[in-house]
Order: sequence, then structure tokens, then C-alpha cells
Amino acid sequence: DVVMTQSPLSLPVTLGQPASISCRSSQSLVLSDGRTYLNWLQQRPGQSPRRLIYKVSNRDSGVPDRFSGSGSGTDFTLKISRVEAEDVGVYYCMQGTHWPYSFGQGTKLEI
Amino acid sequence: EVQLVESGGGLVQPGGSLRLSCAASGFTFSSYWMHWVRQPPGKGLVYVSRISFDGTTTTYADSVKGRFTISRDDAENTLYLQMNSLRAEDTAIYYCVRGGLTIYGDFDYWGQGTLVTVSS
Repeated sequence: DVVMTQSPLSLPVTLGQPASISCRSSQSLVLSDGRTYLNWLQQRPGQSPRRLIYKVSNRDSGVPDRFSGSGSGTDFTLKISRVEAEDVGVYYCMQGTHWPYSFGQGTKLEI
Repeated sequence: EVQLVESGGGLVQPGGSLRLSCAASGFTFSSYWMHWVRQPPGKGLVYVSRISFDGTTTTYADSVKGRFTISRDDAENTLYLQMNSLRAEDTAIYYCVRGGLTIYGDFDYWGQGTLVTVSS
């Protein structure tokens, strides 16, 4: 099974400052045709998860452009260029390439 | 607008059964793979099960294999999860998640979740 490892698990940030979360997979998430099913999810307090980024670097509709995703193979990063108060919550990376799909442990972003 | 609305959660004794439902709207339900993901209280996300767009392929996490059954009714645009032989460790919020048009995990829309509590 593919293990997803996030760091850090806790991320204290200052409003207006950048933030970065790392995610590593135990094996490559790249399919033979180049597609890579690495998503980033945001879970605000008391809410269900919401997808922010799909296939490594594509922002979902309505997601502010301060969020960006990058990486390849087994190493991926979510960046927030300037943290806002509404960004508080837990962020998960997840892979949808290999069965069984799997999630990172979650990174708690706090102001 | 895509909507996924789960129901059927509640308190059940160990060894008991529950059936969760997920009512889907705003998209062509019969074209999409669908999934169940759970989240134990205060913990992270755990994958449970998936079903193909036509219902012919179902797969389960090892932790629920043989106890849970995923199914769908495309006429009613509804996804189900039949949970039998429930254990305390099955206590979690259960989310219905829309997959993609392929076998791979897109996970673009999530329901609000339904809480299952297994306790005597």
C-alpha cells in the first residue's frame, strides 16, 4: 500500500505570511500516460473536506490563487502565498493513483 | 450544483448493522465512480470503499472487507453502504465522495457526512 507522509503536522503561521506543506508518497504516483492523481484537501473546523488542488497543480473552481501545488513522482508541496484567517484548518494530501487510495496524516494550520 | 447528502447514521451496538445512504444531485450520477471515506472522531481521513459507475466493480479497505457492502441505485441517484458486524473502531463520520469518470481517485465533491457511533 502507498503511504503518504506529510510534514509538518502542525504549522503555526502569521497572517499575511507564506506557508508550505510537504507530502511524500512511498512510491511514484505517476501513471504510464503521465497523469498523477495527487490531490490536496482542506478541512476547516466543523466542516467536511473540500478539494483545493487536483492532479498535483490544478486549482479547483473558487479556490483563491494564493494556493498552489507543485511536485512530481513522490514529492509534492502545497503553498499558500499569504495566509488569511479563513485558511485555518487541516490540510491533507491524498493519492488516487494506486488502490487502496490513501491520505496523509493531515497538517493543522493555525494562526 | 453538485450535492451529496448522507443519511442513516446513528448509535448502534457492537455487532449491529446500519445502512448509510447518499442522495446525489446536480450531475449525471450513473457516469461517476463513487466512494465512501470515514473519519474517526478527532482523527484523519480513512478510505473505505469504491464502486464503479455501472456498479460492476466494488472494492474495500481490508478493515471493512467482508462486513461492509457498497451499492448504488442509479434510478434513484443514491449510493449506499451496508455495514454489518459493526465494531467500536467503526465509529466515525462517514463521507460520500464523488470520484471521477475513471477508476482513479478524483474526489472532487464531498458530502457533509453522517456520524456512526458503535457503543453499548
